[in-house]
Amino acid sequence: KQEVTQIPAALSVPEGENLVLNCSFTDSAIYNLQWFRQDPGKGLTSLLLIQSSQREQTSGRLNASLDKSSGRSTLYIAASQPGDSATYLCAVTDYGGSQGNLIFGKGTKLSVKP
Amino acid sequence: DTAVSQTPKYLVTQMGNDKSIKCEQNLGHDTMYWYKQDSKKFLKIMFSYNNKELIINETVPNRFSPKSPDKAHLNLHINSLELGDSAVYFCASSQVPGGQTYGYTFGSGTRLTVV
Repeated sequence: KQEVTQIPAALSVPEGENLVLNCSFTDSAIYNLQWFRQDPGKGLTSLLLIQSSQREQTSGRLNASLDKSSGRSTLYIAASQPGDSATYLCAVTDYGGSQGNLIFGKGTKLSVKP
Repeated sequence: DTAVSQTPKYLVTQMGNDKSIKCEQNLGHDTMYWYKQDSKKFLKIMFSYNNKELIINETVPNRFSPKSPDKAHLNLHINSLELGDSAVYFCASSQVPGGQTYGYTFGSGTRLTVV
């Protein structure tokens, strides 16, 4: 059964720092991996989607990598800003859930202090 | 021009009541989902419909019944509400099951509080 783990559970950094959020999954047979952002009391905003055949995706200050064989993904945030404060969720769609079961980690709560 | 919209945004109701949550997507996607986010913020799938057909039905009490009148709408009806049903319910959609190519789009959630 696929399990997704995110480390750390919470992270506090000063503004301007570069940071890395980690995600691991137990079954490498995945269709894709998606990083989301959730602000308090709000919905999920998709940040980056990496297909199983891809190694990384970039959007602005965000870069996500995928190493399917080792079951790992990282989300790199460059030059962090207070507006980046949110919970970041990693989720995979695996072959076992080929009908569309997106399996989430428990998230990393990021706080960027001015 | 909200992509995935849910109503209501907040719902406070008493134990034993029956309530419905509605979801609509204007993305032309074939697949829609209901996810539940519990008090520990963990998101887990409840149901999935592809082109009005139920394709995922996780271990959810029978009191929860989804209905998809067309592929742009997926509603969730809950009978005999219990305190433990309090959570945030998210609707989502994807172009095809599994979210290949374009991933998933989520609504803003419905916060259900049972008192």
